[in-house]
This record gives sequence, C-alpha cells and structure tokens, in this order.
Amino acid sequence: GDSVTQMEGPVTLSEEAFLTINCTYTATGYPSLFWYVQYPGEGLQLLLKATKADDKGSNKGFEATYRKETTSFHLEKGSVQVSDSAVYFCALKSGGSNYKLTFGKGTLLTVNP
Amino acid sequence: GAGVSQSPSNKVTEKGKDVELRCDPISGHTALYWYRQSLGQGLEFLIYFQGNSAPDKSGLPSDRFSAERTGGSVSTLTIQRTQQEDSAVYLCASSLWGSPQETQYFGPGTRLLVL
Repeated sequence: GDSVTQMEGPVTLSEEAFLTINCTYTATGYPSLFWYVQYPGEGLQLLLKATKADDKGSNKGFEATYRKETTSFHLEKGSVQVSDSAVYFCALKSGGSNYKLTFGKGTLLTVNP
Repeated sequence: GAGVSQSPSNKVTEKGKDVELRCDPISGHTALYWYRQSLGQGLEFLIYFQGNSAPDKSGLPSDRFSAERTGGSVSTLTIQRTQQEDSAVYLCASSLWGSPQETQYFGPGTRLLVL
C-alpha cells in the first residue's frame, strides 16, 4: 500500500538557518505530492504541492521537487524564521486511491531567535 | 468564500456515550473526507464521500463509527459507545471533485476527549 516516510523530529534551528526535511514515499501509479503545515493551535494548511515528476512546488520561501527516480519530495527553505515554527506533514495521493491523503508522521520544527 | 467549518471545536464525553461531530465543507465541493489525528497513530484517513455516497469506508476503525452526508453538503461523523482510545482530533476536509491533483482543504478539527 501507499506510505510516506519523513524525517523524525523534532528539528531545532536558529533563525536564518537552512532547513531540509526529508520525505520519501511508496505509491502505486503516479502520485501527487503535498506538504501541509500545522501552526500551533491551528488547522492543517496546504504549503505546496507537485503533481508530476520534476515539478517544483514553492510557497512562502519553501520549495520541494518531485523526484520520481528517488521517490522523494524533500522540503527546503534557505533561511527560516521564528514564524516557521510548526509541524510539517508530507503527504501523497496516488492513482490507486485517488481520494485519500496518506500522511507521514509529521516533523516538529522549532526556530529560535 | 468560507472555509471548512467543524463543530463542536472541543468535546468532552464519558466513556460509553455517543457523540456526533459535524462538518460543513466549502460550498460547491463534492468530495468530503474525514481524518483522525492522534498521538500514537498520526493522521489517519477514515472515510470519503463523493456527493452523498461513501465509496470507501475502510478507514473506519470499528463498527462503532459511522458517517453520513446529506444534500451533498454537511456531514456527520457519529461514534457510538465511545472508548478512551477514541480520544483524538477529528479533521474534516473537502475538495472540488476528489481527483489526485486537487488540494484538500481542512477544517480546524474537533478535539474529542473521552474520560
């Protein structure tokens, strides 16, 4: 079945540091890939997505590239801010079950001033 | 327009009682999803509606869980004879058609605590 493995947290960084959160997946067909973010006390929000191989999703300075050859969708940001502190979830929807999202376990990011 | 709304935002109940959780999707969205977020299991898919029908109920953890959707809009998730392990945040999401490329928009969730 479909599965998503993402880097275990928590991750603690200083402001302006470089961020990478690794995400790899197993899926049937050609999945769409997503990063969702959950800020403290808030609901899940879509951060970015990519729907086919080699696509790059980007938003708010975050980027992730859909790599079919390595089945990966790593999240990166060049310079994190305190306001980026949140839990980040990698997720996929595959052609085999094109309605439901399969999530990774989430990575807690804390950015210190 | 308005986003996905859920009610109540918090619910505390006693073990053995029934609870109903409500989801109001984004207007015009035909696909609706329920997920559960718990410490031990992360985010799990529960059930999916396309219109008023539920093609896949396989994520419901037991026969104490049921859900319905009426008028292609509001959905209710019912948990009968609640158990302590049902304590979790129940999230509802909606999307326009349910296709793989679409974004699912999530509501704020209902935090359920079973004492």
